Amino acid sequence: AQSVTQLDSHVSVSEGTPVLLRCNYSSSYSPSLFWYVQHPNKGLQLLLKYTSAATLVKGINGFEAEFKKSETSFHLTKPSAHMSDAAEYFCVVRAGYSSASKIIFGSGTRLSIRP
Amino acid sequence: DTEVTQTPKHLVMGMTNKKSLKCEQHMGHRAMYWYKQKAKKPPELMFVYSYEKLSINESVPSRFSPECPNSSLLNLHLHALQPEDSALYLCASSQGGLAPDTQYFGPGTRLTVL
Repeated sequence: AQSVTQLDSHVSVSEGTPVLLRCNYSSSYSPSLFWYVQHPNKGLQLLLKYTSAATLVKGINGFEAEFKKSETSFHLTKPSAHMSDAAEYFCVVRAGYSSASKIIFGSGTRLSIRP
Repeated sequence: DTEVTQTPKHLVMGMTNKKSLKCEQHMGHRAMYWYKQKAKKPPELMFVYSYEKLSINESVPSRFSPECPNSSLLNLHLHALQPEDSALYLCASSQGGLAPDTQYFGPGTRLTVL
């Protein structure tokens, strides 16, 4: 069985400070893991993905995430927040390698940036 | 190019209307998806097409009828909808087959049912 838990429904940071959005997963199989960002009234944009290659994954806009199997975590980080990072972030787990494999979305984390 | 396009951007319809949502991709992807997203919630999977065949239907009511006329195009036909069907409808596509499958999303259609 698969599941994904985003540990914070809302995170607020000051502009220029680090961002940490937490995601824990469980999966019976070797999973693929993704982070997506959604700005208000927009579709989802892929930030980065882990698919069993390097455990530290770099994405767009300065984001990165580290896959830690022992902790079953895939936390998203960014060294310095920008106002344009304010959005909803979804962690997604997918086990298997086909379009029919189960896709599980986390409940989302809303990131707010204080000036 | 990782673009998925959706039309229309916004749609308002009455409960007796028939309308269609359209999704298009030209990335050569062979899997396409429809999601429904309510406010402040994650997307919920509705349908998956793989190589133009319906492979997953997540127990969606029959007032939603998907269609995949070719590998680039996905439609969602709507009929006799209810106000609770108002939501953002997202289309996505992925390579399909046995590759590690990354989904690319369109901007969505904001549907309001009166």
